[in-house]
Amino acid sequence: AQSVTQLDSHVSVSEGTPVLLRCNYSSSYSPSLFWYVQHPNKGLQLLLKYTSAATLVKGINGFEAEFKKSETSFHLTKPSAHMSDAAEYFCVVSSSGGSNYKLTFGKGTLLTVNP
Amino acid sequence: GAVVSQHPSWVICKSGTSVKIECRSLDFQATTMFWYRQFPKQSLMLMATSNEGSKATYEQGVEKDKFLINHASLTLSTLTVTSAHPEDSSFYICSAPGGQASFGGFFGQGTRLTVV
Repeated sequence: AQSVTQLDSHVSVSEGTPVLLRCNYSSSYSPSLFWYVQHPNKGLQLLLKYTSAATLVKGINGFEAEFKKSETSFHLTKPSAHMSDAAEYFCVVSSSGGSNYKLTFGKGTLLTVNP
Repeated sequence: GAVVSQHPSWVICKSGTSVKIECRSLDFQATTMFWYRQFPKQSLMLMATSNEGSKATYEQGVEKDKFLINHASLTLSTLTVTSAHPEDSSFYICSAPGGQASFGGFFGQGTRLTVV
């Protein structure tokens, strides 16, 4: 079984300040973890993924995430928020122990960026 | 990279009619596709797993007769919302798995269905 908990449903930051979106996971198998971004009425875009290589993962648009097994966390960060970062962010887990590599989504975190 | 194309991107239909949504893998073969539903300001909920050449597997609580899934070829899966009602209005997204857990999924652009 696998699950994902996004600790904040809404995060609001000012432009130019750091972003932190929190995610905790549970998985019976070695997980792969992902962060996706979704702009209104759009599909999902992959920001970054962890797949058992380096624990600090760099993604697109300046985003990073660090896999911490001891804390079962995979928090998403960005040093300086931009207005275009305003969107919904989903933390996702996938485990090879299951069939067809089903993805389990967190409930999402809405990021708003204030000018 | 792998691309999944979903069509239409939005559709408005009258209550009682049926709507078909297509999901195509453009440059790879997908024996499996997933169909998700997303209500406003909520996460994606898996509805069903589409399997090429066999019956789809539905998640608990999803009406099989309401949401007909066909996966007739290795590049095309379709979701038909039959006898649509306003409560079926939602954002529907398909995805194909990447072949390994580490690949995540390749997502279509989504379809905004509005039933009036």
